[in-house]
Amino acid sequence: GQNIDQPTEMTATEGAIVQINCTYQTSGFNGLFWYQQHAGEAPTFLSYNVLDGLEEKGRFSSFLSRSKGYSYLLLKELQMKDSASYLCAVRADTDKLIFGTGTRLQVFP
Amino acid sequence: SAVISQKPSRDICQRGTSLTIQCQVDSQVTMMFWYRQQPGQSLTLIATANQGSEATYESGFVIDKFPISRPNLTFSTLTVSNMSPEDSSIYLCSVLQGYEQFFGPGTRLTVL
Repeated sequence: GQNIDQPTEMTATEGAIVQINCTYQTSGFNGLFWYQQHAGEAPTFLSYNVLDGLEEKGRFSSFLSRSKGYSYLLLKELQMKDSASYLCAVRADTDKLIFGTGTRLQVFP
Repeated sequence: SAVISQKPSRDICQRGTSLTIQCQVDSQVTMMFWYRQQPGQSLTLIATANQGSEATYESGFVIDKFPISRPNLTFSTLTVSNMSPEDSSIYLCSVLQGYEQFFGPGTRLTVL
């Protein structure tokens, strides 16, 4: 079966750094995605990893270890607008994306 | 990036009725997906809809309950049939373009 796990909730302070972890067990692997979703809105694409290592995009970075079935999303210099849900998703052995449970991040002043 | 629109954006329906949700994309795409997101939950894939073939449903979802049409490469519909309060959810259309997957704004359905 397919299993993608993330922490349910996290809190952090404005200006800080937060790391959101994602572990997965899927039948096949064709890439891992991170999406951001604000309440009442559609998910928006943040990052994509298909090879091991770190991908950096401004304040956001994403890491992948395929051998460990593990990824994390790193958010630096947190801002209040970063309060949102962060969804880890894996493209398994077909083109469909399987989503994890999502992590609700709250940033406090 | 693909621009996706959905109609209606929200609806309140009576149990036992059906609602058809439309998804329109501004470019031709081969693969379209329908997801459900229940309150406070993550996204669950309902089915994959490819033009010219029948939709492929995920475990727990059946064609009689969620019939899907895909008449061309820019349009799809999802019908939620014989609705019950448990069908209250956000329904999202999604398309694959290259390696990226884009989402529509969603249809918020409330069943009374």
